[in-house]
Amino acid sequence: EPEVTQTPSHQVTQMGQEVILRCVPISNHLYFYWYRQILGQKVEFLVSFYNNEISEKSEIFDDQFSVERPDGSNFTLKIRSTKLEDSAMYFCASSVTRQTEQFFGPGTRLTVL
Amino acid sequence: DQQVKQNSPSLSVQEGRISILNCDYTNSMFDYFLWYKKYPAEGPTFLISISSIKDKNEDGRFTVFLNKSAKHLSLHIVPSQPGDSAVYFCAAGQSGGSYIPTFGRGTSLIVHP
Repeated sequence: EPEVTQTPSHQVTQMGQEVILRCVPISNHLYFYWYRQILGQKVEFLVSFYNNEISEKSEIFDDQFSVERPDGSNFTLKIRSTKLEDSAMYFCASSVTRQTEQFFGPGTRLTVL
Repeated sequence: DQQVKQNSPSLSVQEGRISILNCDYTNSMFDYFLWYKKYPAEGPTFLISISSIKDKNEDGRFTVFLNKSAKHLSLHIVPSQPGDSAVYFCAAGQSGGSYIPTFGRGTSLIVHP
């Protein structure tokens, strides 16, 4: 069964460093998403991506964040200068269309020290 | 701003009995609702959904009930099984908008053998 994969499973970084979180969406899906979940809190939408551009983003997704689809399979989230409050679980998701079910990856736990 | 609220952080149920997970929402523009299940070290997995034109949707042991006037939905699991032990997220969205779901904080269900 096809699935969304994410690497690494856990990333530890120093405050101020850049991190890149990687995702491989399901191959025939066209819509891609990043969410995050701070420990004990709700899953929060960050950004959606379609046709090689951002289709929607939340208030959380400020200039420190960027997304890219560098090739036909990977979808990345970059945080330019990490802050302590960026520590969270980051989930990638993909869907066939905007209206259909989103399939989530296992997440990357980001710890900023 | 909690547009989707799951007021019970945890629920403990005996195997074979009914599990009822509750969710309240505040945004009257929401017209579709979803439940996701999440196991540790995995991403959320879509479980069941309901459109606002319905008040009930059933899929095997899982039934979602929607009370629009009360802005309340619930997920019933009958009979509960130990493998159902997971965190359950309620989510809601607007089909006329971006389709990006807004998630609640989740309820941790433990089903005891």
